Amino acid sequence: DTGVSQDPRHKITKRGQNVTFRCDPISEHNRLYWYRQTLGQGPEFLTYFQNEAQLEKSRLLSDRFSAERPKGSFSTLEIQRTEQGDSAMYLCASSRTSGTPDTQYFGPGTRLTVL
Amino acid sequence: TQLLEQSPQFLSIQEGENLTVYCNSSSVFSSLQWYRQEPGEGPVLLVTVVTGGEVKKLKRLTFQFGDARKDSSLHITAAQPGDTGLYLCAGTRGSQGNLIFGKGTKLSVKP
Repeated sequence: DTGVSQDPRHKITKRGQNVTFRCDPISEHNRLYWYRQTLGQGPEFLTYFQNEAQLEKSRLLSDRFSAERPKGSFSTLEIQRTEQGDSAMYLCASSRTSGTPDTQYFGPGTRLTVL
Repeated sequence: TQLLEQSPQFLSIQEGENLTVYCNSSSVFSSLQWYRQEPGEGPVLLVTVVTGGEVKKLKRLTFQFGDARKDSSLHITAAQPGDTGLYLCAGTRGSQGNLIFGKGTKLSVKP
């Protein structure tokens, strides 16, 4: 069990550029979550997948954000036309639906800085 | 409006002291989880509680879920500098899978 991994760990980009982050969940975890955390706040839910199906999206997920989990394994989160307000830590978590409760394990996060 | 209120927001204590961190809500949660987060890292799970009144112990850490499942507390006995970090409570409601987080309590334990 290697834990949840995220890549890259840090990303600096200029406003208006597109960025893509990757998350590899714990193997055999069929649920995958994306959260965003800004300074001084707890993480805020963005979206989650059960296998390859995207089951829920937060109102925080504007139309510039898109997430995919094409084969039910790794997931990508893309932000188009980045804005300075997108600067945050993007966290991925995974869990097993067979677990009661749905205990989520987090990756190390991707720190995004938009200049 | 924050659904889960944590208090205090900041806590600075000396090594060896005891402390309690609170997580309160007016809503019922089906489960509640406590995480510890270091700067620049993701949250690390400490414990999950699901039953009202449940108490769980993890070495010097004691976690309690309120009888009505609306609140929780984390008590640390004889705090050590290694306990320094951001403590986050997070809950799930009903069939929703996503976690609702509090803002966290930033703990600093000085040697």
